[in-house]
Amino acid sequence: DGGITQSPKYLFRKEGQNVTLSCEQNLNHDAMYWYRQDPGQGLRLIYYSQIVNDFQKGDIAEGYSVSREKKESFPLTVTSAQKNPTAFYLCASSDIQGLNQPQHFGDGTRLSIL
Amino acid sequence: ILNVEQSPQSLHVQEGDSTNFTCSFPSSNFYALHWYRWETAKSPEALFVMTLNGDEKKKGRISATLNTKEGYSYLYIKGSQPEDSATYLCAFRDNYGQNFVFGPGTRLSVLP
Repeated sequence: DGGITQSPKYLFRKEGQNVTLSCEQNLNHDAMYWYRQDPGQGLRLIYYSQIVNDFQKGDIAEGYSVSREKKESFPLTVTSAQKNPTAFYLCASSDIQGLNQPQHFGDGTRLSIL
Repeated sequence: ILNVEQSPQSLHVQEGDSTNFTCSFPSSNFYALHWYRWETAKSPEALFVMTLNGDEKKKGRISATLNTKEGYSYLYIKGSQPEDSATYLCAFRDNYGQNFVFGPGTRLSVLP
């Protein structure tokens, strides 16, 4: 089945620790995205990538980093600089070759602070 | 940052009722609007991609309309069923942005 796989489903971070959230897709999509969701708010864009080895900051990139070494993979690192990391994180991808393609989402990772 | 609003925030209806909710977005420089359904414990799923003023899309009992001149889209559900219970998200993009801005969602609960 084609889709997006996020792991782990739940993640706990200690103070001062960096953690990495995995996102893999087998849809052959060029574009990939990371969103954060907080209660009562819409999805907010952290980072996005439209091509391998290139990525751009979204609206709330501070305290996060990403890489795009392979088309299929777009891992997100939550660094110790992110002071309020507790949230639900969603990864998405889309085919940007079409005129206007919807995004396909993973099941998400819930990150909590210990 | 663009402002995308959705109303109501949450909604409870009885099985069989028809319902509708609203997505409001900036009325200038429209590019596209997407609707997604997000069921609990699942990933968001695309419902509609809307690009033209006056667009009307339909999928089963769910339909959507688009008014780009006044900056709103309506999502309608006819004869709601418990399986329609979900959060419905809209996402807007203008001509200048490279990405979509999501609204906070409308949480629908359909009571049997």
